[in-house]
Amino acid sequence: QQQVKQSPQSLIVQKGGIPIINCAYENTAFDYFPWYQQFPGKGPALLIAIRPDVSEKKEGRFTISFNKSAKQFSLHIMDSQPGDSATYFCAASDNAGNMLTFGGGTRLMVKP
Amino acid sequence: ETGVTQSPTHLIKTRGQQVTLRCSSQSGHNTVSWYQQALGQGPQFIFQYYREEENGRGNFPPRFSGLQFPNYSSELNVNALELDDSALYLCASSRGGNNEKLFFGSGTQLSVL
Repeated sequence: QQQVKQSPQSLIVQKGGIPIINCAYENTAFDYFPWYQQFPGKGPALLIAIRPDVSEKKEGRFTISFNKSAKQFSLHIMDSQPGDSATYFCAASDNAGNMLTFGGGTRLMVKP
Repeated sequence: ETGVTQSPTHLIKTRGQQVTLRCSSQSGHNTVSWYQQALGQGPQFIFQYYREEENGRGNFPPRFSGLQFPNYSSELNVNALELDDSALYLCASSRGGNNEKLFFGSGTQLSVL
């Protein structure tokens, strides 16, 4: 099963809030889990990525939490800003490494 | 360091026609992957080229084909266009035949009428 399920589809928070986006997967061979940010008219840009040997990774205001037993991972955006308004995609790949399986995306709006 | 560039940015074709999309990879990158992104959905993997050879293919029919050139630029060809082929086609480059640290271009928006 290659699917990656992402929720919610859309999210609205106030400036300074902490939006949380969740993803779940079935394929236990997945071992690389990146998050991408996409603005309208642009391609996705890599934000942060994690491997299953750690449960959390922080880069700036972005944090990934990873639960291997539940086969779930999530993105937290600390102190969210209007400039963070974009569509966020989780993804996963196995150790063959040539294909990313993307979730369906979450459209985030951060209100001023 | 130049980024990933794709051409054209927009294209309108009619059903049954053929189309070629082009991608120049980021300097220093030898791997190009192509993805199809339908409106409101996540990108779907079409195939990857590494050192001019196909290095993996997603669930797309043979009428989707590609090439990678010695300078690592790439083409995506789609024959016998169908209405469902209308989508944003994204090219991404990376190093070493894998998908870590993919750098995406802005895509080609293809409309099939």
